[in-house]
Amino acid sequence: AQSVTQLGSHVSVSEGALVLLRCNYSSSVPPYLFWYVQYPNQGLQLLLKYTSAATLVKGINGFEAEFKKSETSFHLTKPSAHMSDAAEYFCAVSPFGNEKLTFGTGTRLTIIP
Amino acid sequence: NAGVTQTPKFQVLKTGQSMTLQCAQDMNHNSMYWYRQDPGMGLRLIYYSASEGTTDKGEVPNGYNVSRLNKREFSLRLESAAPSQTSVYFCASSEGVGHRELFFGEGSRLTVL
Repeated sequence: AQSVTQLGSHVSVSEGALVLLRCNYSSSVPPYLFWYVQYPNQGLQLLLKYTSAATLVKGINGFEAEFKKSETSFHLTKPSAHMSDAAEYFCAVSPFGNEKLTFGTGTRLTIIP
Repeated sequence: NAGVTQTPKFQVLKTGQSMTLQCAQDMNHNSMYWYRQDPGMGLRLIYYSASEGTTDKGEVPNGYNVSRLNKREFSLRLESAAPSQTSVYFCASSEGVGHRELFFGEGSRLTVL
């Protein structure tokens, strides 16, 4: 069965610092990988997705993620954090891209002024 | 464009009461989903409907029933609510199951006393 593990349920970074949110996946078949963001009191929205076209994926709001098969990772990064980035971030996987998504447990990002 | 609309946004029930959460989407999507979100557990799939006329169990279906009323609407029913069903419920839709983007509603916060 496919799954994702998000390391760190809470991450705090200073405004202007690098954001790094970790996601590792397990899948016996080529996965489709996603990052979703949830702002307070809202539903989730897609940040970016990997569908095997390119290993470095760029998303909205300056975020990007790199698919590393050798490390089974799909970490999310942003060079410079902004106060508006404070939210909860979810990694998700779909094997082959033909099945429903399985979500990780989420990482809450806090930005320190 | 409303996207995915859920009602009600808030509900308090007593143990044993029943209720239905309503969901409608106006994007002509084929697939619809019900998730629950609990602290530290991420999003867990309750039921989904890959296309009009079909429904399937997800990860945590016990205590719930669903109805895909038509292509637009997908309802979630709690027949006899239990405190363990206290959660935030999200409806989502997509063009199809798998690698296509999920669009989420704003959530319904349910408390069972």
